[in-house]
Amino acid sequence: NAGVMQNPRHLVRRRGQEARLRCSPMKGHSHVYWYRQLPEEGLKFMVYLQKENIIDESGMPKERFSAEFPKEGPSILRIQQVVRGDSAAYFCASSPPGPGSGELFFGEGSRLTVL
Amino acid sequence: GEDVEQSLFLSVREGDSSVINCTYTDSSSTYLYWYKQEPGAGLQLLTYIFSNMDMKQDQRLTVLLNKKDKHLSLRIADTQTGDSAIYFCAVPNSGNTPLVFGKGTRLSVIA
Repeated sequence: NAGVMQNPRHLVRRRGQEARLRCSPMKGHSHVYWYRQLPEEGLKFMVYLQKENIIDESGMPKERFSAEFPKEGPSILRIQQVVRGDSAAYFCASSPPGPGSGELFFGEGSRLTVL
Repeated sequence: GEDVEQSLFLSVREGDSSVINCTYTDSSSTYLYWYKQEPGAGLQLLTYIFSNMDMKQDQRLTVLLNKKDKHLSLRIADTQTGDSAIYFCAVPNSGNTPLVFGKGTRLSVIA
């Protein structure tokens, strides 16, 4: 029973390039969340998506960042024209539909390094 | 929005108890969570407590909730070197999603 799968686990980009991070939620989960972890800053919420819908993007930077969760396939977090400050660990989490305990199930993270 | 505060570091000797504290601002939270992150890994749910409880015990873990003071704590009894990790307190934002995390407490266990 696979958990939340993220890839790539490590990604190196030069300034100005694009980074694409992928996340496949747990089987049966229809809600996906992206968080960013910077050193000494904890985990910051970025965006919450359901299939084909962005529910809450209040944590997303206004420029260069976008996220999608298409009807088929993984959720994608896209960062255009990366800068050194984008270097961080990006975590995806998923949860099942309907009310519940609210627990989030996390992937192992994608660690982006911008040179 | 919700704000969650934790101290950043805690160091204890093996065999002692560890107490990690957390304060939050939104009193409407229903479930409050503790997650554990080992080096280079994702976050795993350690335990959670429903807001109508003031204590929950699970083997070596004890969670205490003081709703009046909006204070949550995690006690680890007989702390082992394998408990060395970052521990995050997490509280739902308004509407119960998404979770807001504290900055994490880095627990170091000295043998």
